[in-house]
Amino acid sequence: NAGVTQTPKFRVLKTGQSMTLLCAQDMNHEYMYWYRQDPGMGLRLIHYSVGEGTTAKGEVPDGYNVSRLKKQNFLLGLESAAPSQTSVYFCASSYIGPFQPQHFGDGTRLSIL
Amino acid sequence: TQLLEQSPQFLSIQEGENLTVYCNSSSVFSSLQWYRQEPGEGPVLLVTVVTGGEVKKLKRLTFQFGDARKDSSLHITAAQPGDTGLYLCAGAPPGNNRLAFGKGNQVVVIP
Repeated sequence: NAGVTQTPKFRVLKTGQSMTLLCAQDMNHEYMYWYRQDPGMGLRLIHYSVGEGTTAKGEVPDGYNVSRLKKQNFLLGLESAAPSQTSVYFCASSYIGPFQPQHFGDGTRLSIL
Repeated sequence: TQLLEQSPQFLSIQEGENLTVYCNSSSVFSSLQWYRQEPGEGPVLLVTVVTGGEVKKLKRLTFQFGDARKDSSLHITAAQPGDTGLYLCAGAPPGNNRLAFGKGNQVVVIP
Protein backbone atom coordinates (compact mmCIF):
# COMPACT_ATOMS: atom_id res chain seq x y z
CA ASN A 1 0.00 0.00 0.00
CA ALA A 2 2.79 2.47 -0.83
CA GLY A 3 0.67 4.76 -3.07
CA VAL A 4 2.71 7.87 -3.87
CA THR A 5 6.20 8.09 -2.39
CA GLN A 6 8.28 11.26 -2.40
CA THR A 7 12.03 11.43 -1.85
CA PRO A 8 13.56 13.19 0.05
CA LYS A 9 11.22 14.34 2.84
CA PHE A 10 13.38 17.31 3.85
CA ARG A 11 16.20 19.20 2.21
CA VAL A 12 18.13 22.41 2.75
CA LEU A 13 19.93 23.94 -0.21
CA LYS A 14 22.05 26.97 -0.79
CA THR A 15 21.08 29.50 -3.45
CA GLY A 16 22.35 28.36 -6.84
CA GLN A 17 22.52 24.66 -6.00
CA SER A 18 20.61 22.11 -8.00
CA MET A 19 18.59 19.12 -6.93
CA THR A 20 16.01 16.61 -8.11
CA LEU A 21 12.88 15.57 -6.26
CA LEU A 22 11.68 12.07 -6.97
CA CYS A 23 8.09 10.88 -7.05
CA ALA A 24 7.11 7.25 -7.47
CA GLN A 25 3.62 5.74 -7.68
CA ASP A 26 2.62 2.09 -7.72
CA MET A 27 -1.01 2.47 -8.81
CA ASN A 28 -0.41 2.38 -12.58
CA HIS A 29 -1.80 5.91 -12.87
CA GLU A 30 -1.44 7.75 -16.17
CA TYR A 31 -1.44 11.31 -14.83
CA MET A 32 1.12 12.71 -12.45
CA TYR A 33 1.46 16.22 -11.00
CA TRP A 34 3.86 18.41 -9.09
CA TYR A 35 2.45 21.13 -6.80
CA ARG A 36 3.94 23.60 -4.42
CA GLN A 37 2.12 24.72 -1.29
CA ASP A 38 2.90 28.05 0.31
CA PRO A 39 1.16 29.84 3.21
CA GLY A 40 -1.74 31.91 1.93
CA MET A 41 -1.27 30.68 -1.64
CA GLY A 42 -2.78 27.22 -1.55
CA LEU A 43 -1.71 24.42 -3.85
CA ARG A 44 -0.31 25.60 -7.18
CA LEU A 45 0.41 23.32 -10.10
CA ILE A 46 4.01 23.45 -11.35
CA HIS A 47 4.10 20.81 -14.09
CA TYR A 48 2.11 17.73 -14.94
CA SER A 49 2.24 14.67 -17.16
CA VAL A 50 -0.57 12.88 -18.97
CA GLY A 51 1.47 9.75 -19.62
CA GLU A 52 4.93 8.27 -19.95
CA GLY A 53 7.23 10.51 -21.97
CA THR A 54 4.94 13.58 -21.77
CA THR A 55 5.14 16.75 -19.70
CA ALA A 56 3.23 20.03 -19.66
CA LYS A 57 3.45 23.35 -17.86
CA GLY A 58 1.15 24.22 -15.03
CA GLU A 59 0.44 27.51 -13.30
CA VAL A 60 3.96 28.25 -11.95
CA PRO A 61 6.53 26.39 -14.11
CA ASP A 62 9.39 28.91 -14.16
CA GLY A 63 12.62 27.68 -12.55
CA TYR A 64 11.58 24.03 -12.67
CA ASN A 65 11.98 21.16 -15.10
CA VAL A 66 10.39 17.73 -15.10
CA SER A 67 10.81 14.35 -16.73
CA ARG A 68 8.60 11.25 -16.99
CA LEU A 69 10.84 8.59 -18.50
CA LYS A 70 8.97 5.78 -16.76
CA LYS A 71 5.23 5.65 -16.10
CA GLN A 72 5.69 5.19 -12.37
CA ASN A 73 8.21 8.01 -11.84
CA PHE A 74 7.95 11.79 -12.15
CA LEU A 75 11.03 13.88 -11.43
CA LEU A 76 11.09 17.57 -10.53
CA GLY A 77 14.36 19.42 -11.02
CA LEU A 78 15.61 22.73 -9.74
CA GLU A 79 18.61 23.76 -11.83
CA SER A 80 19.61 26.83 -9.82
CA ALA A 81 17.70 27.08 -6.56
CA ALA A 82 16.42 30.46 -5.39
CA PRO A 83 15.02 31.48 -1.98
CA SER A 84 11.61 32.01 -3.65
CA GLN A 85 11.49 28.26 -4.24
CA THR A 86 11.40 27.55 -0.52
CA SER A 87 8.16 25.61 -0.19
CA VAL A 88 6.52 22.28 0.46
CA TYR A 89 6.35 20.26 -2.75
CA PHE A 90 3.66 17.65 -3.31
CA CYS A 91 3.49 15.02 -5.98
CA ALA A 92 0.15 13.51 -6.93
CA SER A 93 -1.19 10.99 -9.40
CA SER A 94 -4.56 10.12 -10.86
CA TYR A 95 -5.87 7.29 -12.99
CA ILE A 96 -7.07 9.38 -15.90
CA GLY A 97 -7.28 13.17 -15.98
CA PRO A 98 -8.03 15.91 -13.43
CA PHE A 99 -11.60 14.73 -12.78
CA GLN A 100 -10.35 11.57 -11.15
CA PRO A 101 -9.32 11.61 -7.48
CA GLN A 102 -5.73 12.64 -6.99
CA HIS A 103 -3.52 10.65 -4.65
CA PHE A 104 -0.87 12.71 -2.93
CA GLY A 105 2.48 11.95 -1.40
CA ASP A 106 3.42 13.33 2.00
CA GLY A 107 5.49 16.16 0.57
CA THR A 108 9.07 17.36 0.43
CA ARG A 109 9.95 20.32 2.63
CA LEU A 110 12.59 22.33 0.81
CA SER A 111 14.41 25.34 2.21
CA ILE A 112 16.69 27.49 0.08
CA LEU A 113 19.13 29.64 2.01
CA THR B 1 -7.88 35.83 -9.45
CA GLN B 2 -8.62 32.72 -7.42
CA LEU B 3 -10.95 30.37 -9.30
CA LEU B 4 -12.26 28.76 -6.11
CA GLU B 5 -12.81 30.93 -3.05
CA GLN B 6 -13.06 29.18 0.29
CA SER B 7 -14.52 30.78 3.40
CA PRO B 8 -13.86 31.17 6.20
CA GLN B 9 -10.10 30.80 5.89
CA PHE B 10 -9.79 29.84 9.56
CA LEU B 11 -12.34 28.46 12.01
CA SER B 12 -11.83 27.40 15.61
CA ILE B 13 -14.65 25.67 17.47
CA GLN B 14 -15.24 23.60 20.58
CA GLU B 15 -15.70 19.86 20.41
CA GLY B 16 -19.35 18.98 19.88
CA GLU B 17 -20.25 22.12 17.95
CA ASN B 18 -21.40 22.19 14.34
CA LEU B 19 -19.68 24.08 11.53
CA THR B 20 -20.09 24.85 7.86
CA VAL B 21 -17.44 25.94 5.38
CA TYR B 22 -17.91 27.09 1.83
CA CYS B 23 -16.33 26.82 -1.59
CA ASN B 24 -17.55 29.34 -4.18
CA SER B 25 -16.80 30.19 -7.79
CA SER B 26 -18.19 32.17 -10.68
CA SER B 27 -17.43 29.23 -12.97
CA VAL B 28 -19.50 26.11 -13.52
CA PHE B 29 -17.83 22.81 -12.68
CA SER B 30 -18.72 19.33 -13.86
CA SER B 31 -17.63 18.10 -10.44
CA LEU B 32 -15.96 19.31 -7.26
CA GLN B 33 -13.71 17.38 -4.95
CA TRP B 34 -13.12 17.89 -1.24
CA TYR B 35 -9.82 16.92 0.38
CA ARG B 36 -8.60 17.03 3.98
CA GLN B 37 -4.97 17.71 4.77
CA GLU B 38 -3.46 17.05 8.18
CA PRO B 39 -0.18 18.63 9.34
CA GLY B 40 2.87 17.05 7.71
CA GLU B 41 0.82 15.01 5.25
CA GLY B 42 -0.57 15.31 1.77
CA PRO B 43 -4.25 15.98 1.02
CA VAL B 44 -6.57 12.97 1.09
CA LEU B 45 -9.75 12.85 -0.97
CA LEU B 46 -12.96 12.85 1.07
CA VAL B 47 -15.65 13.04 -1.59
CA THR B 48 -16.50 14.04 -5.15
CA VAL B 49 -19.82 15.75 -5.91
CA VAL B 50 -21.04 15.55 -9.48
CA THR B 51 -24.73 16.43 -9.81
CA GLY B 52 -26.17 19.88 -9.08
CA GLY B 53 -27.99 19.79 -5.74
CA GLU B 54 -26.29 16.54 -4.75
CA VAL B 55 -25.80 15.82 -1.05
CA LYS B 56 -23.25 13.27 0.11
CA LYS B 57 -22.65 12.14 3.67
CA LEU B 58 -19.48 10.73 5.13
CA LYS B 59 -20.23 9.91 8.78
CA ARG B 60 -20.62 13.35 10.43
CA LEU B 61 -19.57 15.25 7.31
CA THR B 62 -22.23 16.42 4.83
CA PHE B 63 -21.20 17.76 1.44
CA GLN B 64 -23.54 19.65 -0.86
CA PHE B 65 -23.07 20.73 -4.47
CA GLY B 66 -24.96 23.87 -5.47
CA ASP B 67 -27.83 23.59 -7.92
CA ALA B 68 -25.92 25.68 -10.46
CA ARG B 69 -22.72 23.66 -9.86
CA LYS B 70 -20.76 26.80 -8.97
CA ASP B 71 -20.42 26.24 -5.24
CA SER B 72 -20.25 23.62 -2.54
CA SER B 73 -20.46 23.43 1.22
CA LEU B 74 -19.16 21.11 3.91
CA HIS B 75 -21.09 20.77 7.16
CA ILE B 76 -19.61 18.94 10.13
CA THR B 77 -21.99 17.82 12.87
CA ALA B 78 -20.73 17.47 16.45
CA ALA B 79 -17.13 18.18 15.52
CA GLN B 80 -14.38 16.04 17.03
CA PRO B 81 -10.68 16.88 17.49
CA GLY B 82 -9.95 14.36 14.73
CA ASP B 83 -11.78 16.67 12.30
CA THR B 84 -8.99 19.23 12.70
CA GLY B 85 -7.30 19.89 9.39
CA LEU B 86 -7.16 21.94 6.22
CA TYR B 87 -10.16 21.30 4.00
CA LEU B 88 -9.50 21.92 0.32
CA CYS B 89 -12.00 22.07 -2.50
CA ALA B 90 -10.86 21.44 -6.06
CA GLY B 91 -12.38 21.39 -9.51
CA ALA B 92 -11.56 21.46 -13.20
CA PRO B 93 -13.66 23.91 -15.23
CA PRO B 94 -14.95 22.65 -18.60
CA GLY B 95 -12.26 22.62 -21.24
CA ASN B 96 -9.45 22.80 -18.72
CA ASN B 97 -7.07 19.90 -18.23
CA ARG B 98 -5.95 21.05 -14.79
CA LEU B 99 -7.44 20.74 -11.34
CA ALA B 100 -7.63 24.07 -9.49
CA PHE B 101 -7.54 24.14 -5.71
CA GLY B 102 -8.98 26.68 -3.33
CA LYS B 103 -6.73 28.01 -0.57
CA GLY B 104 -8.53 25.92 2.00
CA ASN B 105 -10.54 26.17 5.20
CA GLN B 106 -8.33 25.63 8.26
CA VAL B 107 -10.52 23.99 10.92
CA VAL B 108 -9.38 23.57 14.52
CA VAL B 109 -11.56 21.60 16.93
CA ILE B 110 -10.65 22.24 20.55
CA PRO B 111 -11.21 19.35 22.99
